[in-house]
Amino acid sequence: DAMVIQNPRYQVTQFGKPVTLSCSQTLNHNVMYWYQQKSSQAPKLLFHYYDKDFNNEADTPDNFQSRRPNTSFCFLDIRSPGLGDAAMYLCATSRDRGRWNTEAFFGQGTRLTVV
Amino acid sequence: AQSVSQHNHHVILSEAASLELGCNYSYGGTVNLFWYVQYPGQHLQLLLKYFSGDPLVKGIKGFEAEFIKSKFSFNLRKPSVQWSDTAEYFCAVNEGNNNDMRFGAGTRLTVKP
Repeated sequence: DAMVIQNPRYQVTQFGKPVTLSCSQTLNHNVMYWYQQKSSQAPKLLFHYYDKDFNNEADTPDNFQSRRPNTSFCFLDIRSPGLGDAAMYLCATSRDRGRWNTEAFFGQGTRLTVV
Repeated sequence: AQSVSQHNHHVILSEAASLELGCNYSYGGTVNLFWYVQYPGQHLQLLLKYFSGDPLVKGIKGFEAEFIKSKFSFNLRKPSVQWSDTAEYFCAVNEGNNNDMRFGAGTRLTVKP
């Protein structure tokens, strides 16, 4: 059974048109992450939530925002997608903070195309 | 800034060959270390992890990794690969109690039958 679910699997959006990617989890984990992965590159951490506490990476562009309305759901909003934002977006969860709880569980990703 | 380096971009092996994929990280403090695998069309899955204790860690599907603190390395090994091991392999590190897991660029493994 899928535990971290991302919708949609494939998303096509127009240049400059806001787009939202969604992630849900059935694990009841406290931490949720968003990563951006471009072809042949490492997944890059954009931000993560610990419960409702939002943690942005210093180099994440302002164009990327996130919402976590409850434990189960987390959204990635791209306010004005550019061609350079085309990538695979990965959602992940981990149980909690603390050394022993940081194993991440990944969804299948959403591949975003910007036209 | 903390970084994770995987030296091999693409590795091609024949079945039954031995595998070693390199991973080095730059952070000098307490680290948690992971190897993830991504089979074609599937999500990232955990192969193995190291938090503390025995530096030789055994994971699923016959994989193991050795943490060598003095070399800042966490290399992945398998004595005899199978065609079904064809996948992309990612090394990942996070620092101490932090949740900011960092990934290497990945190594694509192709196993020829």
